[in-house]
Amino acid sequence: EPEVTQTPSHQVTQMGQEVILRCVPISNHLYFYWYRQILGQKVEFLVSFYNNEISEKSEIFDDQFSVERPDGSNFTLKIRSTKLEDSAMYFCASSEDPPGEQYFGPGTRLTVT
Amino acid sequence: AQSVAQPEDQVNVAEGNPLTVKCTYSVSGNPYLFWYVQYPNRGLQFLLKYITGDNLVKGSYGFEAEFNKSQTSFHLKKPSALVSDSALYFCAVRDMFGGATNKLIFGTGTLLAVQP
Repeated sequence: EPEVTQTPSHQVTQMGQEVILRCVPISNHLYFYWYRQILGQKVEFLVSFYNNEISEKSEIFDDQFSVERPDGSNFTLKIRSTKLEDSAMYFCASSEDPPGEQYFGPGTRLTVT
Repeated sequence: AQSVAQPEDQVNVAEGNPLTVKCTYSVSGNPYLFWYVQYPNRGLQFLLKYITGDNLVKGSYGFEAEFNKSQTSFHLKKPSALVSDSALYFCAVRDMFGGATNKLIFGTGTLLAVQP
């Protein structure tokens, strides 16, 4: 069964550093998403991406964040200058069409020290 | 504002007994409702969804959920629990008011513990 993959599974970085989280969505899906879950809190929407542009973003997704689909398979989330409060589990998801279910990857645990 | 509530942090049930994990929602328009399950060190796995039609929807692993518009609820159920069902369950909603949004709003999750 096709699945969303994410790398790395765990990333430790120092405050102020840039990080890139990588995702490979399911191959025939057209819509891509990033969510995050701070430890002990809800899963929160960050951004959705379709047709090579952001279709929706939350207030969390400020100028420090960016997304890109650099080729036909990868989907990345970049945090330009990490803060302590960016420490969270970041989930990538994809869906075949808007009304359908979103399929999630296993997540990348980001720890900012 | 859209929201999802899962009133129980944890549900304990004996193996073989029926289980219910509760979810209520608040949206402006018609809801699309989803249940996901998360096992340790794994991502969120899709279980089932309600978009339209029959209020009782069936999903993976024998789970089902009932959409109740008057009570704004979407409780997850299973007639006979298995120890392997022990996991964290998330309810999520997509608000269809005002046009397209793909954003899922999640509840806080309910830990299901099935005792042998």
